[in-house]
Amino acid sequence: DAMVIQNPRYQVTQFGKPVTLSCSQTLNHNVMYWYQQKSSQAPKLLFHYYDKDFNNEADTPDNFQSRRPNTSFCFLDIRSPGLGDAAMYLCATSRARGQGETYEQYFGPGTRLTVT
Amino acid sequence: GDSVTQMEGPVTLSEEAFLTINCTYTATGYPSLFWYVQYPGEGLQLLLKATKADDKGSNKGFEATYRKETTSFHLEKGSVQVSDSAVYFCALIPYSSASKIIFGSGTRLSIRP
Repeated sequence: DAMVIQNPRYQVTQFGKPVTLSCSQTLNHNVMYWYQQKSSQAPKLLFHYYDKDFNNEADTPDNFQSRRPNTSFCFLDIRSPGLGDAAMYLCATSRARGQGETYEQYFGPGTRLTVT
Repeated sequence: GDSVTQMEGPVTLSEEAFLTINCTYTATGYPSLFWYVQYPGEGLQLLLKATKADDKGSNKGFEATYRKETTSFHLEKGSVQVSDSAVYFCALIPYSSASKIIFGSGTRLSIRP
């Protein structure tokens, strides 16, 4: 089945120690997103890639970076995790959209990040 | 700006009860509307969608109708099961969006046997 895969499902890192979360997709979607979700609140968009074009949200801290080496893979790098960065990180994908078209987002299972 | 307002939770029902979770939106033009469900420890799953006025989305016994006149997209199910316990998010994608989805705050649903 076509899907969005996130690894690992659970990640523990130490305060200030860089960590990388990964996402892959077999849907061949052009757009990939990273969200942060805390305590069953609505997911908060960090950034997204439209093909190779990176789009950062204005309020995403500089501590968060992303890479998309090819269509299938996207990485979230947290350079110096703080205790406040403990959260569920969700990857999502969607088809590219033209005017008048709308395409839903498909989410992976998430990575639960704990910062000690 | 565009926004989604949904019923605050938590909502607790007995098994086989009728469910309604209210959702209203503010948007220009004709957004697409969605309900996502999140089970404990999991990502969001698309439950149903509607892309134009009077469309009815349905899946797994859940239904929601796109009501342009009342700017609403209420989620309903005739007979809930314990396995429906989850957090439900109403969401919209604006007509002119360049890949943005706007979520409501989520409604936690608990079904007791």
